[in-house]
Amino acid sequence: RKEVEQDPGPFNVPEGATVAFNCTYSNSASQSFFWYRQDCRKEPKLLMSVYSSGNEDGRFTAQLNRASQYISLLIRDSKLSDSATYLCVVGNTGGFKTIFGAGTRLFVKA
Amino acid sequence: DADVTQTPRNRITKTGKRIMLECSQTKGHDRMYWYRQDPGLGLRLIYYSFDVKDINKGEISDGYSVSRQAQAKFSLSLESAIPNQTALYFCATSDSPATRLAGSYNEQFFGPGTRLTVL
Repeated sequence: RKEVEQDPGPFNVPEGATVAFNCTYSNSASQSFFWYRQDCRKEPKLLMSVYSSGNEDGRFTAQLNRASQYISLLIRDSKLSDSATYLCVVGNTGGFKTIFGAGTRLFVKA
Repeated sequence: DADVTQTPRNRITKTGKRIMLECSQTKGHDRMYWYRQDPGLGLRLIYYSFDVKDINKGEISDGYSVSRQAQAKFSLSLESAIPNQTALYFCATSDSPATRLAGSYNEQFFGPGTRLTVL
């Protein structure tokens, strides 16, 4: 079993749609959680950190469920520019060991 | 100028050749990392370094070596390249916990990547 698992997609949605991604992790001692965004042939960039209480940044909402060991990302009112691969990242408290999921591809169409 | 740079950006080489990929950063971070990315497998950690005197193996270090020449420089070497090392390689940096800013805990900043092809 992979340490961090994501549905690879692709998710094909129309503009304005709401889309949700889930990610599961196997190490119950994991302490740090993130969503990164990666555009085609580009480097990953931090989209948002995920906190225990859940957090929101504009159209993006991230949630953490420690009991079930999964994190989620919700994108509301999808834009064409949201088309990318979304990487789930899990790390320990020291931060030196971060595990990246294989990513979920999103295509937003007009 | 980019905060994290990698050279070369693209490289095609032959089996058995020695290859060095270089990474430089101007962010002042202590921690640096090397990853490779393969389709369907995501990013996998090759080596990481907490400071100039600290080098650690990641999950796939076999066939690779690294050198931390300075706080700002971290190079990755393939001593004898083989075709299954064909991949996209990323260097990354992060702040260490002692100096992190609120809200940026452990965020990693990536270079633009090096696309390596081993024939």
